[in-house]
Amino acid sequence: DSGVTQTPKHLITATGQRVTLRCSPRSGDLSVYWYQQSLDQGLQFLIQYYNGEERAKGNILERFSAQQFPDLHSELNLSSLELGDSALYFCASSVGLAADTQYFGPGTRLTVL
Amino acid sequence: GENVEQHPSTLSVQEGDSAVIKCTYSDSASNYFPWYKQELGKRPQLIIDIRSNVGEKKDQRIAVTLNKTAKHFSLHITETQPEDSAVYFCAASNYGGATNKLIFGTGTLLAVQP
Repeated sequence: DSGVTQTPKHLITATGQRVTLRCSPRSGDLSVYWYQQSLDQGLQFLIQYYNGEERAKGNILERFSAQQFPDLHSELNLSSLELGDSALYFCASSVGLAADTQYFGPGTRLTVL
Repeated sequence: GENVEQHPSTLSVQEGDSAVIKCTYSDSASNYFPWYKQELGKRPQLIIDIRSNVGEKKDQRIAVTLNKTAKHFSLHITETQPEDSAVYFCAASNYGGATNKLIFGTGTLLAVQP
């Protein structure tokens, strides 16, 4: 157990719908990262928050958005879902911005039908 | 842009043999190189990492080497065991800057045959 929690574990929804994935970082970690893992794209960085502020964006679609709340938990919102959005979404956390280990949560498996 | 290439994509070895996985990164500012092991359906777990001021690091049967000039780093697993079977990902990041996001390689499926 890494100490990073993600809910829900599984999500099945239809095209065009909107979902919210939730992540709670390890106690004391200020940085939260979201990664998408699909069969054909591997592990792709989506977005990073540090202490409530957006720090970096990767190949994140405009239909996706995220935020980090004052209690440091983060949510990833995916809207107008397409079949190709089906993937494992991982949240990771680290203490800060240095070469800290990033600890991954168990992931949310999203299936878009 | 930032890119990490990883080879081979699959690797099959006999139990007790050594396994080597190689990665090349493109961003010369990268200074932190972790390796993650991911079992089927599970989360990636860090197994070893190396920073750019070090050329080699060892932890029991696992070692990582870094060649900054060539922008190469490699994972070495000795005396492989069936429980080493998993997908291994290398990654690179640039800590100390605006972000320490990880750029991952495409993964290597390691199968250790008993």
